Amino acid sequence: EVQLVESGGGLVQPGRSLKLSCAASGFTFSNYGMHWIRQAPTKGLEWVASISPSGGSTYYRDSVKGRFTISRDNAKSTLYLQMDSLRSEDTATYYCATAGPGFDYWGQGVMVTVSS
Amino acid sequence: DIQMTQSPSLLSASVGDRVTINCKASQNINKYLNWYQQKLGEAPKLLIYNTNNLQTGIPSRFSGSGSGTDYTLTISSLQPEDFGTYFCFQHNSWPLTFGSGTKLEIK
Repeated sequence: EVQLVESGGGLVQPGRSLKLSCAASGFTFSNYGMHWIRQAPTKGLEWVASISPSGGSTYYRDSVKGRFTISRDNAKSTLYLQMDSLRSEDTATYYCATAGPGFDYWGQGVMVTVSS
Repeated sequence: DIQMTQSPSLLSASVGDRVTINCKASQNINKYLNWYQQKLGEAPKLLIYNTNNLQTGIPSRFSGSGSGTDYTLTISSLQPEDFGTYFCFQHNSWPLTFGSGTKLEIK
């Protein structure tokens, strides 16, 4: 059974950092690209970042470029999102998800709240 | 960036109705369009990928069509469990973008 389990969320002050993790199981993690997607409270979905299966290619939305870093450890089947210089507008539930036509699985989401 | 204009934003329909939800892209997305259903407090669930491919386990009353910039999700006979919010998602080019969502209510 495919499982994606996010962790590392919480309440953080503006300007501080947080690192999210997504532990994958039930599939060959190193074969799939991965996404981070977020959803602000009562809002729609917003793509944040993606990474290729090897980790050699990464992509970001403009509003997080230079502040967020997506990475992966294929030996540990884990995806990461390092979030620096956090802003109030980064407050959201963050989901990790697989990237593959028809191979589409999401974690349960982890809440990040940026507030003083 | 490719803008995805989704309509309607709110839809109220009865069990058994045929329902359509539309997404219009600001440029050609080459059929790289997925449809998701999300229920309150849950992660989105993939219904259709690459315009018209039914995800495994999804009932056949869901179907997708379209090309170029215009795409449609159709529910052929609405069931009570189909309530929720539906999103389109283009993965043709970076940055990837979602539609703003259609909230489907059952009358």
